[in-house]
Amino acid sequence: DQQVKQNSPSLSVQEGRISILNCDYTNSMFDYFLWYKKYPAEGPTFLISISSIKDKNEDGRFTVFLNKSAKHLSLHIVPSQPGDSAVYFCAAHNFGNEKLTFGTGTRLTIIP
Amino acid sequence: DVKVTQSSRYLVKRTGEKVFLECVQDMDHENMFWYRQDPGLGLRLIYFSYDVKMKEKGDIPEGYSVSREKKERFSLILESASTNQTSMYLCASFGGGTGGTYNEQFFGPGTRLTVL
Repeated sequence: DQQVKQNSPSLSVQEGRISILNCDYTNSMFDYFLWYKKYPAEGPTFLISISSIKDKNEDGRFTVFLNKSAKHLSLHIVPSQPGDSAVYFCAAHNFGNEKLTFGTGTRLTIIP
Repeated sequence: DVKVTQSSRYLVKRTGEKVFLECVQDMDHENMFWYRQDPGLGLRLIYFSYDVKMKEKGDIPEGYSVSREKKERFSLILESASTNQTSMYLCASFGGGTGGTYNEQFFGPGTRLTVL
């Protein structure tokens, strides 16, 4: 039972354009959502998060949008840079415990 | 600068061997986690610990055990390694949320384990 889904295993975007990564979830008890970035042979690093009481959070080139009615969130990267090439994981925090549930990841490739 | 370290970056073991993966954090966090990452499956939680000597099963605990004797150290044990435990193992720590916010989990660099 995959509670957090990233339906696109991979995405290629031209350098300078917008990258949009999507994530869907099923559990309405999730109260916080996070995006992590992972390079090969390294651990994931935190990128940006959003509380379920908000619909948008912005940090530099990164913006996360949350649509609670659709149980959908997206990460926008503008403009995309070659260093953004990595695997991106969406994660959701379940109110009441300290666990995160991760999606399966999307491999983003930025084409120079 | 916060740090989570793992004892080995790469490890090769034989089927049936007992394997210890060590994780140490320097952030005085109560919560520590062990995940495995496999292609197409994302990060899956094996075990976690919310205090010294406390542990809880995650989503895929079969074939694994853990030990948390000190706050800063969380060990993952493969009692009898099998080929299907070949994977990337990631340790994380988390200090908890404050004031309605949720602080992120910090990850170590990972251990790539190959079981032959």
